[in-house]
Amino acid sequence: DIQMTQSPSTLSASIGDRVTITCRASQSISRWLAWYQQKPGKAPNVLIYLASSLESGVPSRFSGSGSGTEFTLTISSLQPDDFATYYCQHYDSYPLTFGQGTRLEIK
Amino acid sequence: EVQLVASGGGLAQPGGSLRLSCKASGFTLSSYWMSWVRQAPGKGLEWVASIKQDGSEKHYVDSVKGRFTISRDNTQNSLYLQMNSLRDEDTAVYHCARVMENNGRPGNWGQGTLVTVSS
Repeated sequence: DIQMTQSPSTLSASIGDRVTITCRASQSISRWLAWYQQKPGKAPNVLIYLASSLESGVPSRFSGSGSGTEFTLTISSLQPDDFATYYCQHYDSYPLTFGQGTRLEIK
Repeated sequence: EVQLVASGGGLAQPGGSLRLSCKASGFTLSSYWMSWVRQAPGKGLEWVASIKQDGSEKHYVDSVKGRFTISRDNTQNSLYLQMNSLRDEDTAVYHCARVMENNGRPGNWGQGTLVTVSS
């Protein structure tokens, strides 16, 4: 099984900051990676698919990059609505697996 | 508007059974792979199972193989998860999710239904 490791687990940042979350796969997944945002009590929403493609309706301050085993999610200028938990997920092969999540909190 | 509404959760005893349903609307269910994903209270996301458009191909996480069965009825726009031999560790919110493309690109999720396994 492919293991997905996110870092950091928790990130404290301020409005307007640029933040980056990293996701590492235990083996190459090409670009078969998605990023989600989840708010408390809500279902996750897809932000990025195919490592860097922005899902329709997602603000352009979100971007993704990477291939192989190293991936990043960047938020260029944090907005109040961005404080949430973020997950990466590979879809290279079964079983699908998620990273453990990164909680983005207000500093 | 795409909607996925899961139901059927509740309290079950260890060793018991539950059947979850997911009603799809706003799109043609028969055109998409579908998945179940769960989230234990306060924990991260775990993929459970996926099923091909016509039900001919199914995949499961190891921890539920032999106990859970994913199925669908495209004529009823519905996805199902039959859960048998339930364990405490199956306690979670179960979400149904659409897979946007055959390559596995994830799509819309429903709000989920809570399954609690406890004696």
